Amino acid sequence: DTGVSQNPRHKITKRGQNVTFRCDPISEHNRLYWYRQTLGQGPEFLTYFQNEAQLEKSRLLSDRFSAERPKGSFSTLEIQRTEQGDSAMYLCASSSKVRVANYGYTFGSGTRLTVV
Amino acid sequence: AQKVTQAQTEISVVEKEDVTLDCVYETRDTTYYLFWYKQPPSGELVFLIRRNSFDEQNEISGRYSWNFQKSTSSFNFTITASQVVDSAVYFCALSEAPLENYGQNFVFGPGTRLSVLP
Repeated sequence: DTGVSQNPRHKITKRGQNVTFRCDPISEHNRLYWYRQTLGQGPEFLTYFQNEAQLEKSRLLSDRFSAERPKGSFSTLEIQRTEQGDSAMYLCASSSKVRVANYGYTFGSGTRLTVV
Repeated sequence: AQKVTQAQTEISVVEKEDVTLDCVYETRDTTYYLFWYKQPPSGELVFLIRRNSFDEQNEISGRYSWNFQKSTSSFNFTITASQVVDSAVYFCALSEAPLENYGQNFVFGPGTRLSVLP
């Protein structure tokens, strides 16, 4: 169990630029989740994949956001035309059907995005 | 919709003191799951405990203990003899749905920042 890996750890971008984050889940986990955490708040759900299928999307995921998990392994989260309000920590989590019932999700360390 | 409240934004204690972190939740479901996570400065959320709504037995794990009271919709977390390494943000979370099926029904509270001073 090598943990959930997220890259990059930090990203500073200018407003209007596109950014892409990557998440590598624990290899045997077929479920992958993206959350957003703003300063002083708890994580908020963005989207969820089971294998390569995107099963749920939060209303927080505007048209500028897109997530993919092309082969059911790693996932990418892209934000187009970034805005200052997009500045946040983006957390990825993974789990399996069996594991989630007992342990919830396993989270990565997140990607901190700063839009200037 | 479900909601989790953690009224204590920040708590500071001196090492070896006991500290209780409060969590109050709202849900209309009769079956639900409650969690506590720890977020150290590194940012990674670390699972601490899960509790089912139908199991009100309190739990102790080393210096950690949890008090689940359905009558008051509370799931409080106590750290006994706190240590500097306990300094972190602690999140309480609630899931209404069967955990294996849903993502957006897993809701976090705003967190309590605990500082343990030497």
